[in-house]
Amino acid sequence: EAQVTQNPRYLITVTGKKLTVTCSQNMNHEYMSWYRQDPGLGLRQIYYSMNVEVTDKGDVPEGYKVSRKEKRNFPLILESPSPNQTSLYFCASTSGYTQYFGPGTRLTVL
Amino acid sequence: QQPVQSPQAVILREGEDAVINCSSSKALYSVHWYRQKHGEAPVFLMILLKGGEQKGHEKISASFNEKKQQSSLYLTASQLSYSGTYFCGTEIRSSGDKLTFGTGTRLAVRP
Repeated sequence: EAQVTQNPRYLITVTGKKLTVTCSQNMNHEYMSWYRQDPGLGLRQIYYSMNVEVTDKGDVPEGYKVSRKEKRNFPLILESPSPNQTSLYFCASTSGYTQYFGPGTRLTVL
Repeated sequence: QQPVQSPQAVILREGEDAVINCSSSKALYSVHWYRQKHGEAPVFLMILLKGGEQKGHEKISASFNEKKQQSSLYLTASQLSYSGTYFCGTEIRSSGDKLTFGTGTRLAVRP
């Protein structure tokens, strides 16, 4: 089954404790993105990757890092999380004109 | 810059029609529409390309006014399953494949 998976789905952590949210797709797509979703603000792009080893900043990249060492994986790294990064995070994989979203990761930073 | 969606929310009775609008201050290459049900990921509905091409959902229609940089999504004879939040995503020529999403329109369809 074609899909985008994210782990973990839920995470509660404390300020400053490094964390990684994994994203994996099995559709051999080159283009992948990370979004955060906050009430009233819609989906805002954090980072995107057009291919392996090619990444670029989206609209809200501060406080986040990404890497793309393999085509299927695109992890999101928060080196020192802060409470303002509490949000719902979506990974997406793009084929043609369609973005396929993962199930989301709800992150709470205390 | 995020596109502007209107209305922010709408409540319908089953069978009624609704229009959701999306406008941008920049010249658009394409407009994408997604629907997100509560607790789920957004799902692609359709794309409207500069020049008039459309691809997507069979039961939902949309328009794209290239001169005004506006798009409208038409939901006719609404069903309970249409409930959710609708997002438009806009793409400008210079941004490559980058989509910028609006803040969403919440639609509730009541029996």
